[in-house]
Amino acid sequence: GAVVSQHPSWVICKSGTSVKIECRSLDFQATTMFWYRQFPKQSLMLMATSNEGSKATYEQGVEKDKFLINHASLTLSTLTVTSAHPEDSSFYICSANPGASGQETQYFGPGTRLLVL
Amino acid sequence: QKEVEQNSGPLSVPEGAIASLNCTYSDRGSQSFFWYRQYSGKSPELIMSIYSNGDKEDGRFTAQLNKASQYVSLLIRDSQPSDSATYLCAVNLRRALNFGKGTSLLVTP
Repeated sequence: GAVVSQHPSWVICKSGTSVKIECRSLDFQATTMFWYRQFPKQSLMLMATSNEGSKATYEQGVEKDKFLINHASLTLSTLTVTSAHPEDSSFYICSANPGASGQETQYFGPGTRLLVL
Repeated sequence: QKEVEQNSGPLSVPEGAIASLNCTYSDRGSQSFFWYRQYSGKSPELIMSIYSNGDKEDGRFTAQLNKASQYVSLLIRDSQPSDSATYLCAVNLRRALNFGKGTSLLVTP
């Protein structure tokens, strides 16, 4: 099956610092990747859709200036949490769809757990 | 707001029994439906996808879709303790996915 990797798997940082998370599709090209966030005991919530070569599309309530997304190539999307605060502590997961349009099966990366002190 | 509803559980079944997980969704325009399994602290793992009404079987898993009732279910036959996890129902949201809150399944030896 399709493989998606994320790096790093764990981040602990001080409040006010910025954190970059990478998401890579290892064996397929992805023009679109997705970023989700999951708080404890909650489900995954879509944050934004990352589009290769163009601006990301953010969901309502997600601050685009705080969560910067760059989809620089067909296999790499990055999420930067700027000026992180304790309330940003969460499990961040990316996904990608290797199929043709209309086939929406998504494969998820292993996730990045962020703890902001 | 498009909703995907699941009973949070926990659903407890004995080893070897059939586990039945249910999900309803509000958007009648949804076309793609998925079941993911998520172990604690891990990211979701795809179990099955289903796109048309009826049943779809894959090993011990059977997904059932009824678009008229806006209902999708997952049956797990011969449940094993290793099946204990949270099962997430997901429905397409444009090209992304809208997830339910998940049902916690516990399979007891």
